[in-house]
Amino acid sequence: AQTVTQSQPEMSVQEAETVTLSCTYDTSESDYYLFWYKQPPSRQMILVIRQEAYKQQNATENRFSVNFQKAAKSFSLKISDSQLGDAAMYFCAYRSGNQFYFGTGTSLTVIP
Amino acid sequence: DGGITQSPKYLFRKEGQNVTLSCEQNLNHDAMYWYRQDPGQGLRLIYYSQIVNDFQKGDIAEGYSVSREKKESFPLTVTSAQKNPTAFYLCASSRVTTYNEQFFGPGTRLTVL
Repeated sequence: AQTVTQSQPEMSVQEAETVTLSCTYDTSESDYYLFWYKQPPSRQMILVIRQEAYKQQNATENRFSVNFQKAAKSFSLKISDSQLGDAAMYFCAYRSGNQFYFGTGTSLTVIP
Repeated sequence: DGGITQSPKYLFRKEGQNVTLSCEQNLNHDAMYWYRQDPGQGLRLIYYSQIVNDFQKGDIAEGYSVSREKKESFPLTVTSAQKNPTAFYLCASSRVTTYNEQFFGPGTRLTVL
């Protein structure tokens, strides 16, 4: 079974600084998809970014980018120029077929 | 606007009662899911359905039941057999193509009194 591990239960960052959230996963598949979701205090889950495993290039969405290391099975999220609105729980997810596997989340605090 | 609706937002239940959580989507997605979210445990899959009239158990299906009579609807019943039902419940849907993400509803907070 696929497992997703987020080893940082809590992180904090100063406003306008950069922070990296870690995620590792375990799989024997060669083709798969990875996602980062944000869950703000409203608890609405929002997609931040996705990465296809067959693509070498790291995905980028505005201030959010990933560092995808396929051999190491690592999928970290970098948030640049952190803003107060970035404060939330962040979940890493792996898609295999029609099943999604989630990590336990990282709670990000942004310090003004 | 397309999306997923869950109702009610907050639900209170007495011990020993069954309760049904609603989930409706107008995204024309084939797959639908129910997750339970507890502090420090991320999202745990209760049930999922890839097509009408078919569904599969997830990791924590005991004490829960579902139906999928229409593509748009995937209600979850929390039965009295569920030992610790107080939690936040999230419904999600997705296309069956593997590059697509899940879309989530706003969630239902269930509290057993």
